Amino acid sequence: ETGVTQSPTHLIKTRGQQVTLRCSSQSGHNTVSWYQQALGQGPQFIFQYYREEENGRGNFPPRFSGLQFPNYSSELNVNALELDDSALYLCASSPRHPAGETQYFGPGTRLLVL
Amino acid sequence: AQTVTQSQPEMSVQEAETVTLSCTYDTSESDYYLFWYKQPPSRQMILVIRQEAYKQQNATENRFSVNFQKAAKSFSLKISDSQLGDAAMYFCAYNAYSGAGSYQLTFGKGTKLSVIP
Repeated sequence: ETGVTQSPTHLIKTRGQQVTLRCSSQSGHNTVSWYQQALGQGPQFIFQYYREEENGRGNFPPRFSGLQFPNYSSELNVNALELDDSALYLCASSPRHPAGETQYFGPGTRLLVL
Repeated sequence: AQTVTQSQPEMSVQEAETVTLSCTYDTSESDYYLFWYKQPPSRQMILVIRQEAYKQQNATENRFSVNFQKAAKSFSLKISDSQLGDAAMYFCAYNAYSGAGSYQLTFGKGTKLSVIP
């Protein structure tokens, strides 16, 4: 059984640019959540996707957006990058919706904004 | 809003000894889940143990066990027979229905556990 995978592992961007991060959910999981983890902090919930629709959002501005595809994989897009967007971005998948049960995490994408 | 507090930024334990990590949370919900996740320097967040709030029995998973005190909103993790591989950042997390159609995990700030050989 393949776990949650994310790409790329590392990324460097400059302020004002746009970035797309990708996540493949664990086999059989239909719900994907994205989290931002700043250095030395716990992860913060960005949003969750189910049936290709956003299904819950944390306290993040609209320049954070996402997609979910029919195969349950997902993308996180961030526009107009700011220095504070530098963080580890974690994707987590869950076996069913609503995702009250365990969320399984990928290895993350480390984004550095210069 | 739900909050999760881990009051111990750092802890250390001698190899083969027992250590307890503390976590408290604040919620008005009656139905929720609690988790401990481990994040080694490799940064992959790994599930250690989970507890359903409706279950009175404390969860155990091999050397890992929890002390769940629902009235006190406390959820501590006990690691027995500590091993060098247990060294990591440990996050306590709370999961409940957000009212917007989703469950979202709320994490504490973490406790960095060092294991001394």
